Amino acid sequence: NAGVMQNPRHLVRRRGQEARLRCSPMKGHSHVYWYRQLPEEGLKFMVYLQKENIIDESGMPKERFSAEFPKEGPSILRIQQVVRGDSAAYFCASSQNRDLTDTQYFGPGTRLTVL
Amino acid sequence: EDQVTQSPEALRLQEGESSSLNCSYTVSGLRGLFWYRQDPGKGPEFLFTLYSAGEEKEKERLKATLTKKESFLHITAPKPEDSATYLCAVQARAAGNKLTFGGGTRVLVKP
Repeated sequence: NAGVMQNPRHLVRRRGQEARLRCSPMKGHSHVYWYRQLPEEGLKFMVYLQKENIIDESGMPKERFSAEFPKEGPSILRIQQVVRGDSAAYFCASSQNRDLTDTQYFGPGTRLTVL
Repeated sequence: EDQVTQSPEALRLQEGESSSLNCSYTVSGLRGLFWYRQDPGKGPEFLFTLYSAGEEKEKERLKATLTKKESFLHITAPKPEDSATYLCAVQARAAGNKLTFGGGTRVLVKP
């Protein structure tokens, strides 16, 4: 049973470019979460999505960041006009969201470096 | 606002030297408390979920316990392969499904 998959694992962008991070949830999971881990900081929640719906985006920066989870295909976290402060590890997690068994399983992360 | 504080920030142990990690939390109605292990350059790996005070769970050399204000992760007779960062996170009833993480405890077990 394949785990959560993320790609690319490493991404280098210059300031002002766009970054697209992809996440495929575990088989049977319909809920996707994005978290960010800044250097020397803890994991911070960004956004929670179900297929074609954003459920909670309370942790998402108001500008330049967007997320989607289309009916078909992976979830995408998009960062427009990247700045150096966007350099971080971005983790995707997925869950089944069935009552008390709503454990989130994490992918290996995408490490974004902005030059 | 939900808060999670982990202590100590770092822990150096000799192989076989048992110890405990602390996770203190403030949350408006706990739905679940989660422990994860994270190795350098990798994503968090799920260890345990605890739902109510008094609950305990074990896996190999690890045992997690929960009270109304904190959780402990006990490492019994650790081995070098237990070296990792251990993360604690809470899920609040009023906050939907998002996890609020502590800063983690970096554990180094020396042979």
